[in-house]
Amino acid sequence: DGGITQSPKYLFRKEGQNVTLSCEQNLNHDAMYWYRQDPGQGLRLIYYSQIVNDFQKGDIAEGYSVSREKKESFPLTVTSAQKNPTAFYLCASSPRDRGPDTQYFGPGTRLTVL
Amino acid sequence: AQKITQTQPGMFVQEKEAVTLDCTYDTSDQSYGLFWYKQPSSGEMIFLIYQGSYDEQNATEGRYSLNFQKARKSANLVISASQLGDSAMYFCAMSPRSGGYNKLIFGAGTRLAVHP
Repeated sequence: DGGITQSPKYLFRKEGQNVTLSCEQNLNHDAMYWYRQDPGQGLRLIYYSQIVNDFQKGDIAEGYSVSREKKESFPLTVTSAQKNPTAFYLCASSPRDRGPDTQYFGPGTRLTVL
Repeated sequence: AQKITQTQPGMFVQEKEAVTLDCTYDTSDQSYGLFWYKQPSSGEMIFLIYQGSYDEQNATEGRYSLNFQKARKSANLVISASQLGDSAMYFCAMSPRSGGYNKLIFGAGTRLAVHP
């Protein structure tokens, strides 16, 4: 089945550690996105990529890094510079047609800093 | 400023009744997209319905319809014949042209509870 997978589902990190969240899609979508969701709030955009080997910062990129070496994959690294990383992280993809795109989401990764 | 406002933190509805979830938006762009997503307790975001700013007809998808009033900048979601499985968080989102249509701007969400 086509879709977006994220792993792991739950992740625990000690302060000062970097962690990488995986996002893979087999929808043949050009664009991929990372969002962060805090309790009781909507999503905020961290990074996005419209094409392989290119990515742009979103609204809250500080303390995060990404790579886009393959069309199917868009991993997110939460670095030790991110002051408050505990949150729910959602990856999305879209086909990048002309005009507004529908973004389709993966199941999410819940990150907790111990 | 580009913003989505959902004024109803929580809503209750009886099973089989219709419910309207409110959404207003603020943008100076002429071209934008409006979306509704459902987030059950499992956490994933499920796409429900889309309305383009130039679409003259209100969008419909099964039991979901979007009441689009452009002059009022509102994009309310109507769920007809509510089911117990509709209990979830619902988010309204906007994709403005000035963001290259790359960014989805989300509201804070409305929690819907469907009672039997």
